Amino acid sequence: EVQLVESGGGLVQPGGSLRLSCAASGFSFSSYWMHWVRQAPGKGLVWVSRIDFDGSSTTYADSVKGRFTISRDNAKNTLYLQMNSLRDEDTAVYYCARGARFNDYWGHGTLVTVSS
Amino acid sequence: EIVLTQSPGTLSLSPGERATLSCRASRTISSNFLVWYQQKPGQAPRVLIYGASTRATGIPDRFTGSGSGTDFTLTINRLEPEDSAVYYCQQFGSSPYTFGQGTKLEIQ
Repeated sequence: EVQLVESGGGLVQPGGSLRLSCAASGFSFSSYWMHWVRQAPGKGLVWVSRIDFDGSSTTYADSVKGRFTISRDNAKNTLYLQMNSLRDEDTAVYYCARGARFNDYWGHGTLVTVSS
Repeated sequence: EIVLTQSPGTLSLSPGERATLSCRASRTISSNFLVWYQQKPGQAPRVLIYGASTRATGIPDRFTGSGSGTDFTLTINRLEPEDSAVYYCQQFGSSPYTFGQGTKLEIQ
């Protein structure tokens, strides 16, 4: 059974940092592109970042470029999102999702709250 | 960046009726890499349609995707109460892989 389990969310002050993790199981993790998608409370889905099979190619939404870094450890079947210089508007549930041309499996999400 | 505009914002229909949801792109989506998701409150999104018209595994044939280029449609036939949700389109043609703002479907 394919499973994606996010962790690492929590309350952080503006300007702070947080690292999210997404533990993958039930499939060949290194064979899939992976994404982070976020959703602010009561709002729509926003794509954040994507990484290819081995981490050699990454892309970001303009709103997080230069502040967030996506990475992966295929030996540990884990996806990461390092978030620096956090802002109030980064408050959201962060989902990891699998796939290159569509996201067929999603995690349950982890809540990040940026507030003083 | 490709901007996706979904309409209507909210759709209120009765069981058994047909829903037609629109997703319009600001420029052509390459290879029709257009995806439709369904999201219910408190849940992660679920993929319904990919490649503009291919149903994902386990999705009933009441759900149909169509369109190409810049105009795409999700049609849901014979609406059931469980179809109440927010529906999003997303494009994977070029990064950033943008979402539409969503259409809320209410089944009354």
